Amino acid sequence: QSALTQPASVSGSPGQSITIPCTGTSSDIGTYNLISWYQQHPGKAPKLTISEVTRRPSGVSNRFSGSKSGNTASLTISGLQAEDEADYYCCSYAGGVTWIFGGGTKLTVL
Amino acid sequence: QVQLVQSGAEVKKPGASVKVSCKASGYIFTNFYLHWVRQAPGQGLEYMGVIYPDGGGTGYIQKFQGRLTITRDTSTTTLYMELSSLRSEDTAVYYCAREIPVTGNFDSWGQGTLVTVSS
Repeated sequence: QSALTQPASVSGSPGQSITIPCTGTSSDIGTYNLISWYQQHPGKAPKLTISEVTRRPSGVSNRFSGSKSGNTASLTISGLQAEDEADYYCCSYAGGVTWIFGGGTKLTVL
Repeated sequence: QVQLVQSGAEVKKPGASVKVSCKASGYIFTNFYLHWVRQAPGQGLEYMGVIYPDGGGTGYIQKFQGRLTITRDTSTTTLYMELSSLRSEDTAVYYCAREIPVTGNFDSWGQGTLVTVSS
């Protein structure tokens, strides 16, 4: 099963909003709402940022939000801050015991 | 608080096996699924497999079937990942991650263990 498709990089200025798309297929994102997003700073473990498409875990800023349409999920970060600069990965259930990650998107805060 | 603490870095020769441990604490061990995910240098996250600590059942993605073994010891609340027939492409940081059952929420991760495969 191939990785979900994400842009390699996105950028935005402080205070702006950005959206990171994550495209899959009808066998993963298109079928299941078990879609999560992870933030990873260099040299650190990933951190759960959005769960089950739209849920924000306790402690995650409300500037982070998630959505899904068809075979594409999206992560939106509003009011960009310097600390948001990191790699972001989407993840979807794909049936059986299979989970698929996206290739990752490097967010640069200009 | 929930903690997943992994064993230290390993250097292995091609063809050898490696066993990485992940000690869980701060929660009821058998109530959460445990997964292994790896990340090659400069690359993205790659899912490997899962263990259900309550009964010990496992699941591996096709790519790793035959080479990957995930086990757990409920008496010490420790998870193990053994990968055999190592090749250079297996050089990566290996992470254990806890899942709230049937949600896909990998809500807690180990710090990662670097496995280097080199002759």
